[in-house]
Amino acid sequence: QLQLQESGPGLAKPSETLSLTCTVSGGSISSISYYWGWIRQSPGKGLEWIGAINYSGRTYYNPSLKSRLTISVNTSKNQFSLKVDSVTAADTAVYYCAREAFGSGSYYDYWGQGTLVTVSS
Amino acid sequence: SYELTQPPSVSVSPGQTATITCSGDALPKKYAYWYQQKSGQAPVVVIYEDTIRPSGIPERFSASSSGTMATLTISGAQVEDEADYYCYSTDISGDQRVFGGGTRLTVL
Repeated sequence: QLQLQESGPGLAKPSETLSLTCTVSGGSISSISYYWGWIRQSPGKGLEWIGAINYSGRTYYNPSLKSRLTISVNTSKNQFSLKVDSVTAADTAVYYCAREAFGSGSYYDYWGQGTLVTVSS
Repeated sequence: SYELTQPPSVSVSPGQTATITCSGDALPKKYAYWYQQKSGQAPVVVIYEDTIRPSGIPERFSASSSGTMATLTISGAQVEDEADYYCYSTDISGDQRVFGGGTRLTVL
């Protein structure tokens, strides 16, 4: 059974960089059939797609966040990571990592449990 | 940037049919997906590729898509179906993934 687990600091200071890692177990991140994505949810708000990456490092980013984002992949560790620069209180959210499966379309079929990141001094 | 529009809330009595809509300009060309999210939990897909129900999802969940509108239907809604529902799709290029704003379903 595929599992994804987010890890990283639960607190980030304003203007600094938020960094999270997603560890994939029960399957290989190097499969050509999948992308690996980040989604966040601010308290009491809806889901917001952040971006996605494949095993070769090809990325897609949310245009509204693109200037502050870096998503990377480490196939040797079966992990992918998220960095958000210059964070503000608006970046406070539960951050989910998820697998994006491609069939006739694409969607997120396996999700991590999510990790809360609070931006505060 | 591309957007999917959902009603903020829908309310039904137990046993009634709940209908949640999702509108987006690219839906005639791109599949819609529906997620259920219960409080404190990660989202779970209840419909993929417009109309397909994954194994383990009750038969009362169904969906359709026509033109720029996708629709999730819960026939005979149960109290345990109370949750937030999100549609999901991509823009016409396929590059930008997007979630709808979410619909809070109340069953009481």
